[in-house]
Formats: sequence, C-alpha cells, structure tokens
Amino acid sequence: NAGVTQTPKFQVLKTGQSMTLQCAQDMNHEYMSWYRQDPGMGLRLIHYSVGAGITDQGEVPNGYNVSRSTTEDFPLRLLSAAPSQTSVYFCASSSGLALQETQYFGPGTRLLVL
Amino acid sequence: DQQVKQNSPSLSVQEGRISILNCDYTNSMFDYFLWYKKYPAEGPTFLISISSIKDKNEDGRFTVFLNKSAKHLSLHIVPSQPGDSAVYFCAASAEWTGNQFYFGTGTSLTVIP
Repeated sequence: NAGVTQTPKFQVLKTGQSMTLQCAQDMNHEYMSWYRQDPGMGLRLIHYSVGAGITDQGEVPNGYNVSRSTTEDFPLRLLSAAPSQTSVYFCASSSGLALQETQYFGPGTRLLVL
Repeated sequence: DQQVKQNSPSLSVQEGRISILNCDYTNSMFDYFLWYKKYPAEGPTFLISISSIKDKNEDGRFTVFLNKSAKHLSLHIVPSQPGDSAVYFCAASAEWTGNQFYFGTGTSLTVIP
C-alpha cells in the first residue's frame, strides 16, 4: 500500500493563478480531509468528505473547492490563489467517522503564492 | 481563537531521560484527544490517544495523561531516544464537532544523545 499520496510536493504560484492539489489513497477509506499548517496555528481543517459525492466545509474553507468523485481521490482546488494561501497542505484519510479511527496523513504539499 | 494550545514551541531532553510535552484546551466538551508525531518533510503520524473516560493511557514508552478539571493533557516519553526527535501535535475532538479535530501548534522535541 502506498497509503496517502500527494502531488506536487512543492509549488510556486502567482497571485490569481489557479491550481489543483492532488490527493489519493489506496486503503479504501471513506473519510478524507484537507488541512493547512501555518506557523503558530497548528493544522486547520479546510474541507472533508465522508464518502464519494459528499463533501463539507471545515474550519477554514474560504478560497478552496473540493470534490469527491471516487473513493480514492480528493483534489483540492484553488481558483484564484492569494498570498494568504501560502502554507503546507496535508491530506488525510481514515476508514470511518468514529473518533477512534486513525487518520493517515500524506507527506504534504508546500505552496508558495507570490 | 486557538482551542488547543501547546505553549512550549520546543523542548530539549537528554537521551534516556523523560520527555514531558504539554497541551491545554479551552472547550470542556472535547472528549477525545490524540498525539501525533511529525518528522520533517513527512505528514503527521498517529502516536497515542485517550478518551475522556480515562485519565491515563499507556503504549510502550509513551503515556498520555488527561486532567479534565484542568483541561490539560500531557505526553510522557520514557526513556527518550534520539529517534523521538520530531514535532509533536496534540489534537482534540468530540462528536458534536462532526469529528473535526482541533490541533495545537506543536512542540519540537530534540533528544540529545
């Protein structure tokens, strides 16, 4: 199992550009989520999905879109990048919704918006 | 507003000694707590958890203590090893949050050989 994979590892964007951060998992997990990590802020939930076709907003959803067409993939889209979106982005998955279900994180995508 | 706080950004400990990492939370409704460990250029990995019905959970060298009245939890690592050098995040959740986890800002632990 590859676990949770994320691409790209690093990206530089100009303000106003769009891009999609890719996330895939091969563990047949129903629950997937996106976090951003900023200095002094910890990890904050952006969007999450409890299964294919179902997504919902987390703590900091503004400026991001998501979709979940398959169980395996959960892409995060930035429609018009802003410098405030400079961050490290982590995708995570777990097999269920119970609090005790372990979340598995990908290696992260470091995004710089100029 | 940060609901989960780790007030020590960094901690250095000698190999073989005890490492104590602290975490405070503000919402008494949280009922499930976790610790994650993160190495550079990797994602966080789950370390240990505790439910609010317990005050202690142990897994090998790692023990988490929960003090609900003080809204405080701590992670003890005994004995500390150089491979434990990493950033440690605590996180809290509850059913009412829709299983959303609130993370602390992390503590960078350095274990000195």
